[in-house]
Amino acid sequence: EVQLVESGGGLVQPGGSLRLSCAASGFTFSSYWMKWVRQAPGKGLEWVASIKQDGSEKYYVESVKGRFTISRDNAKNSLYLQMNSLRAEDTAVYYCARWDVWGQGTTVTVSS
Amino acid sequence: DIVMTQTPLSLSVTPGQPASISCKSSQSLLHSSGKTYLYWYLQKPGQPPQLLIYEVSNRFSGVPDRFSGSGSGTDFTLKISRVEAEDVGVYYCLQSTQLHSFGQGTKLEIK
Repeated sequence: EVQLVESGGGLVQPGGSLRLSCAASGFTFSSYWMKWVRQAPGKGLEWVASIKQDGSEKYYVESVKGRFTISRDNAKNSLYLQMNSLRAEDTAVYYCARWDVWGQGTTVTVSS
Repeated sequence: DIVMTQTPLSLSVTPGQPASISCKSSQSLLHSSGKTYLYWYLQKPGQPPQLLIYEVSNRFSGVPDRFSGSGSGTDFTLKISRVEAEDVGVYYCLQSTQLHSFGQGTKLEIK
C-alpha cells in the first residue's frame, strides 16, 4: 500500500524551530518529486515547498523562503521540512504529498 | 505567480442534481511539454485532500464517473453529474504548470 506518514509537529514558540519528517512506503520514493503543503486552521490549502527526485532542485513559496528547508533521504525513503524562525502565521496542518497520494498531516502550532 | 480563482465559493445541491465549479487561472496553464497541469481535489471533513481529476480531464483511479473535468488555457470546470451525499466537502483546483498554487476552495453541501 502506498503510504505517507508525517511526524514532528508540535507546539513551538515564535522564533523557534521544528523539523518535520515524512516516511514513505509502498512505492519507489526516489522516483518522485515530493511536496509539503499546509493548511491553516479553517483555511485553504497552500503549497509550501517541492523537491526533485535527487534533491538537486528545490522550490519554496515566497513566505517561507530563507526560513524553511526541504530535503530528502532516498536511502531512508524520507522527506523532511526544517522550519526555522517560526511565526504565528506558520500555524497549520502540514501535509507531505505526491499530488496523487497525501499523508494524514502533522499539526504545527506557533504560540507563546 | 499564477493565481487560481474558484467560483462559486459555496454551493448547496439537492441529491441527484448536477453541480459545477469553475477555476480560472491568471495565466495559461499549457506547459511547454504540451500538457496542462490542472488538478481537482475533494477534501472531506477531517481528512487530507483526495485526487479526483488530473491533467484537466483524467479521472483518478477509483473516482466515480459522475465526476468530470474540462477546460483549457485559463478556464477549467469540474462537473458532478448527479450529486450524492458522500460528495460533501471542499473542492480545490491546483495548478502545477508554474510551481504550484491552489484555488480558494468551494464548499459543497447537500440541501
